[in-house]
Amino acid sequence: SQQGEEDPQALSIQEGENATMNCSYKTSINNLQWYRQNSGRGLVHLILIRSNEREKHSGRLRVTLDTSKKSSSLLITASRAADTASYFCATGRGAQKLVFGQGTRLTINP
Amino acid sequence: SAVISQKPSRDICQRGTSLTIQCQVDSQVTMMFWYRQQPGQSLTLIATANQGSEATYESGFVIDKFPISRPNLTFSTLTVSNMSPEDSSIYLCSVLAGFSTDTQYFGPGTRLTVL
Repeated sequence: SQQGEEDPQALSIQEGENATMNCSYKTSINNLQWYRQNSGRGLVHLILIRSNEREKHSGRLRVTLDTSKKSSSLLITASRAADTASYFCATGRGAQKLVFGQGTRLTINP
Repeated sequence: SAVISQKPSRDICQRGTSLTIQCQVDSQVTMMFWYRQQPGQSLTLIATANQGSEATYESGFVIDKFPISRPNLTFSTLTVSNMSPEDSSIYLCSVLAGFSTDTQYFGPGTRLTVL
């Protein structure tokens, strides 16, 4: 299975701290995407990184991709209470199908 | 990005009945997908909704249980048939907005509870 694994499964930090989540996958990919989900609602697309890219930034988000290790990380800097959510990585390989990781539940404490 | 709506947003159904979920996009899209998210779990792709032809189902999902329609480039439905409590999940549609993008945008989801 290509399904990714994320760690940690849950992360609790203080507001203002940085949060790092990791994602590993098993097969070759075309791209990797990160999503946020608040309280079981729809997914919000955060960032897409292609297999030939190593790092990408979007606001307070930084994503890295290491295809040799088949892993990616999502860094959220200067966290806010509104960042409390579940974060999922999803890998794309052909036909635009996405395979999702198990997710990281992030809690930002005020 | 595409704006996606789903109806209903949530429903509580009796076992043995069927529910049809609608997904509407504000612009024409190339591809539409349906996912299931069981309680506390990640998302699993059910099928790709093909415009004008039968949907393409993933392993473990069959047309008799999850019939899908896609009559045009902005609309699709997923029916959950002969429901059991194990079908209680969030069902989400997603779209690819164009030929040159790999970014999938998701609808708000439909939370289904089967009693």
